[in-house]
Amino acid sequence: QSVLTQPPSASGTPGQRVHISCSGSNSNIGRTTVNWYQQLPGTAPKLLIYSQDQRPSGVPDRFSGSKSGTSASLAISGLLSEDEAFYYCASWDDSLNGWVFGGGTKLTVL
Amino acid sequence: EVQLVESGGGLVQPGGSLRLSCATSGLNFSSYEMNWVRQAPGKGLEWVSYITSDGATIYYADSVKGRFTVSRDNAKNSLYLQMNSLRVEDTALYFCASETDWNDDYYFDYWGQGTLVTVSS
Repeated sequence: QSVLTQPPSASGTPGQRVHISCSGSNSNIGRTTVNWYQQLPGTAPKLLIYSQDQRPSGVPDRFSGSKSGTSASLAISGLLSEDEAFYYCASWDDSLNGWVFGGGTKLTVL
Repeated sequence: EVQLVESGGGLVQPGGSLRLSCATSGLNFSSYEMNWVRQAPGKGLEWVSYITSDGATIYYADSVKGRFTVSRDNAKNSLYLQMNSLRVEDTALYFCASETDWNDDYYFDYWGQGTLVTVSS
């Protein structure tokens, strides 16, 4: 059972917009930053979004993030087949003194 | 180009030990906090350990506390994880990840490709 809660799966057709949610608590998301990582099949995770809504250089603006209270959301617009991957949210937890991840959401492009 | 390369994984019996290494290049290693993150086969990401740039502050996940020890050698640009009393449930791909900050918001900016640890009799 992960400290942060994500839906196990999400799907959309090419060109659609999808949202992936991440629910936490006042000891993690409610207190500090949320980051999102993308893991393509057979590869290491890659930073996708940091500080709720910041995109690293090279990440397309089709990816956006937001946070409200103890929850965060990742939005992907103009869905492409190459977006098929696992997506993980992460936050520091002040009660656990450690990083916590969501269980991961497998995105399928139909 | 930044590179993080893990090594030291392998097959070990329950109760055994392994020492993982993470060799870095292309980043100012001595300025970075570092982490170990693992991923059991077919499962999600699990944070394992954190160490500050000077090694003065260290945190562990409850699942490994008392069995794993993280350390670093800034002169060698390397991070280590000594894993003792290994259990079957420690079987995973172990990643090292550098941590940086932006306006006091922290995140993992670079990841290695991982080294596989298999604990089995």
